[in-house]
Amino acid sequence: GAGVSQTPSNKVTEKGKYVELRCDPISGHTALYWYRQSLGQGPEFLIYFQGTGAADDSGLPNDRFFAVRPEGSVSTLKIQRTERGDSAVYLCASSLGPGVGYTFGSGTRLTVV
Amino acid sequence: GIQVEQSPPDLILQEGANSTLRCNFSDSVNNLQWFHQNPWGQLINLFYIPSGTKQNGRLSATTVATERYSLLYISSSQTTDSGVYFCAAGGSNYKLTFGKGTLLTVNP
Repeated sequence: GAGVSQTPSNKVTEKGKYVELRCDPISGHTALYWYRQSLGQGPEFLIYFQGTGAADDSGLPNDRFFAVRPEGSVSTLKIQRTERGDSAVYLCASSLGPGVGYTFGSGTRLTVV
Repeated sequence: GIQVEQSPPDLILQEGANSTLRCNFSDSVNNLQWFHQNPWGQLINLFYIPSGTKQNGRLSATTVATERYSLLYISSSQTTDSGVYFCAAGGSNYKLTFGKGTLLTVNP
């Protein structure tokens, strides 16, 4: 597509539930990134994929968070046993490769109640 | 990791005014980008500029990597320029650390 697409745009879930957030990058972009933005803050790095592999997952806060990109295109961020502190906007970005400008999607606003 | 500081935190301008936003970073970088987050939350990439100077219409940016700072210039500001401007820097070429942003309000 023309831009980075993220679904759903909004997700409200109950504490303890499992959620999946989807990112569809720009066609041909091999690099894909997940960031998380809390209110009033800049985005924080979660994970970087180059192709199908997670090249750097050092930003994932704990083992409840996991992300996949099985075919090198669409990526899914998975959060188990959600907590209220997980509430934030989850942003996905893609680029032609590392070291060039990112294009961000519109984000998924996750609210854990 | 890299620390990124932006100034000023807030800026209010009249339409037509010029402004300079500053970004200081704590270590050498291989990646530096400026973004504009509009009031609806969309992050737009303005510049990829780990060094040198670039211009795009009314916007220009300069990064002096040896002195660890970058500047974003906005000329003849318009109300649509309002939003938060983020600087993001990285020692690697893929992982960015964002500053807290500059909230710009342009009044008509």
